Amino acid sequence: DQQVKQNSPSLSVQEGRISILNCDYTNSMFDYFLWYKKYPAEGPTFLISISSIKDKNEDGRFTVFLNKSAKHLSLHIVPSQPGDSAVYFCAASAYNNNDMRFGAGTRLTVKP
Amino acid sequence: NAGVTQTPKFQVLKTGQSMTLQCAQDMNHNSMYWYRQDPGMGLRLIYYSASEGTTDKGEVPNGYNVSRLNKREFSLRLESAAPSQTSVYFCASSLIRTDRELFFGEGSRLTVL
Repeated sequence: DQQVKQNSPSLSVQEGRISILNCDYTNSMFDYFLWYKKYPAEGPTFLISISSIKDKNEDGRFTVFLNKSAKHLSLHIVPSQPGDSAVYFCAASAYNNNDMRFGAGTRLTVKP
Repeated sequence: NAGVTQTPKFQVLKTGQSMTLQCAQDMNHNSMYWYRQDPGMGLRLIYYSASEGTTDKGEVPNGYNVSRLNKREFSLRLESAAPSQTSVYFCASSLIRTDRELFFGEGSRLTVL
């Protein structure tokens, strides 16, 4: 039972344009959401997070939006750079149970 | 600063063989985790150790055992490997159990024939 879903296995965008990666979840107990970035032959690294008390969090070129009523979050990268090419994992956890659930990942390719 | 180190990086086993994946962190973190990643699925938690001396099952613990050897080290053992355990394994750590940000190792690719 995948509680966190990333329905787009891959995404390709042009350098300088916006990348939008989407994530849906089913468990209404989730109250904290994270995005991890993974390069080949490396482990995932933390990118950005958002608490359920917020609907937006920005960090430089990266912004995460949370729509609790739709159980949906998205990661926006503006402007996209070739170095952003990686697999992005969405993750979620509940306050009373820190077991983090991950989506299957979206492979982003940013073309020069 | 090494962070989280896993060994070996690659391993091929025959069905029924046993092996241990080693993990060590040098960030003085209290909590450590083992995940597996399979195609089309997210990372799934196998076991975790909230603090030295404790271990607990995660989402997919069957077929695995763990040992929290000390604060730095957390090993994952496959007693009798099965083809279904072919996967990429990631060790991770966090400062405390309720800390949501995890620090991952580079992964260990295991193939069971």
